[in-house]
Amino acid sequence: GAGVSQSPRYKVAKRGQDVALRCDPISGHVSLFWYQQALGQGPEFLTYFQNEAQLDKSGLPSDRFFAERPEGSVSTLKIQRTQQEDSAVYLCASSLGPREPQHFGDGTRLSIL
Amino acid sequence: AQSVTQLDSHVSVSEGTPVLLRCNYSSSYSPSLFWYVQHPNKGLQLLLKYTSAATLVKGINGFEAEFKKSETSFHLTKPSAHMSDAAEYFCVALRGSQGNLIFGKGTKLSVKP
Repeated sequence: GAGVSQSPRYKVAKRGQDVALRCDPISGHVSLFWYQQALGQGPEFLTYFQNEAQLDKSGLPSDRFFAERPEGSVSTLKIQRTQQEDSAVYLCASSLGPREPQHFGDGTRLSIL
Repeated sequence: AQSVTQLDSHVSVSEGTPVLLRCNYSSSYSPSLFWYVQHPNKGLQLLLKYTSAATLVKGINGFEAEFKKSETSFHLTKPSAHMSDAAEYFCVALRGSQGNLIFGKGTKLSVKP
């Protein structure tokens, strides 16, 4: 069956540009998570949605980061005025419920020049 | 606060020999723990999960892990390594009621022919 789909797989942007990363979760999964994985590190939590409600955004590193899931399905992570330190792989995961096993997409590798 | 520590950043074994990837956790209560595997340029795949039903947990691809409360450990093992096991492995804890994950720094497993 279809897994979590993320697009684009690779994104190159110049410093100062805005970017938008898309996540299509598994159908029927109410929980959706975004993680940031810096080179050589483990993923770190950014934000969590239950359906369309953003219940936790404590991991977002600055107010330049914004996430939404308006209809409780597809989610978009937006980064405004990108900086070099935003370069990382951004992973999306979905699950049937908050404490159920999470299924990950292949990630979007973001490079800021 | 919950945390996980992976004791080795890199483990190298020969094909056909046993694999041991070490993980210690820190938690004030009985945690939910997972092992995930990440192949290059791919998302994370769940290998196995511990949720207190049994201390010895069997996962996919011949991997298993044993939860030892007295040692606060959750080491991952496999009796015989295969070339396809070469990847990055993450020990992960579940945090709180909403389920965001806390990742260790990862252990890179190399398998020599």
